Amino acid sequence: AQSVAQPEDQVNVAEGNPLTVKCTYSVSGNPYLFWYVQYPNRGLQFLLKYITGDNLVKGSYGFEAEFNKSQTSFHLKKPSALVSDSALYFCAVRVRSNDYKLSFGAGTTVTVRA
Amino acid sequence: KAGVTQTPRYLIKTRGQQVTLSCSPISGHRSVSWYQQTPGQGLQFLFEYFSETQRNKGNFPGRFSGRQFSNSRSEMNVSTLELGDSALYLCASSPSWDRGPFQETQYFGPGTRLLVL
Repeated sequence: AQSVAQPEDQVNVAEGNPLTVKCTYSVSGNPYLFWYVQYPNRGLQFLLKYITGDNLVKGSYGFEAEFNKSQTSFHLKKPSALVSDSALYFCAVRVRSNDYKLSFGAGTTVTVRA
Repeated sequence: KAGVTQTPRYLIKTRGQQVTLSCSPISGHRSVSWYQQTPGQGLQFLFEYFSETQRNKGNFPGRFSGRQFSNSRSEMNVSTLELGDSALYLCASSPSWDRGPFQETQYFGPGTRLLVL
């Protein structure tokens, strides 16, 4: 069975500091990996995805993520966090063996303090 | 382009009733998926429709059903509501799902928050 793990329920950082949100996956086959962000009382907004090619993926709002096949990880990063980055972040994976259904991690709440 | 729209945004029902939620995808998008989000279970896949056909289904009881119309708009129905059905129901659309580029991104609507009393 495929799974996505976000080992940290919460991440707290000061504004201007680097932000990292961790994601690891366990799948059979090649994964398609996604990051989404959810603000209170809103739907999910797409940030970035890894399909193939360059392991470093750049996305919206200054976010990037690095695909690491050997460590089965896809951590989300931002060099300098903003207070407005405070939100709930979801990692998701899709694989052929699961009919390409999108499976989400439990989510990580990010709080950026001024 | 307008984003994914969902109606209604908020809904209160009582146990045993049924409810229908509506989703209008981004113009030109042909695939619509539905998800349930709860604090305890997180985000769970309900089903996916493409060209008016259900192509994928999650592990939910038969009380949860859906359909898609020829204009790609989709509805989701929950019959005999239970307290545990209280959740945020999210709809997502993507351009096409014809067994080709499964790397396509799903774009989510704002959700319908359902409260069952």
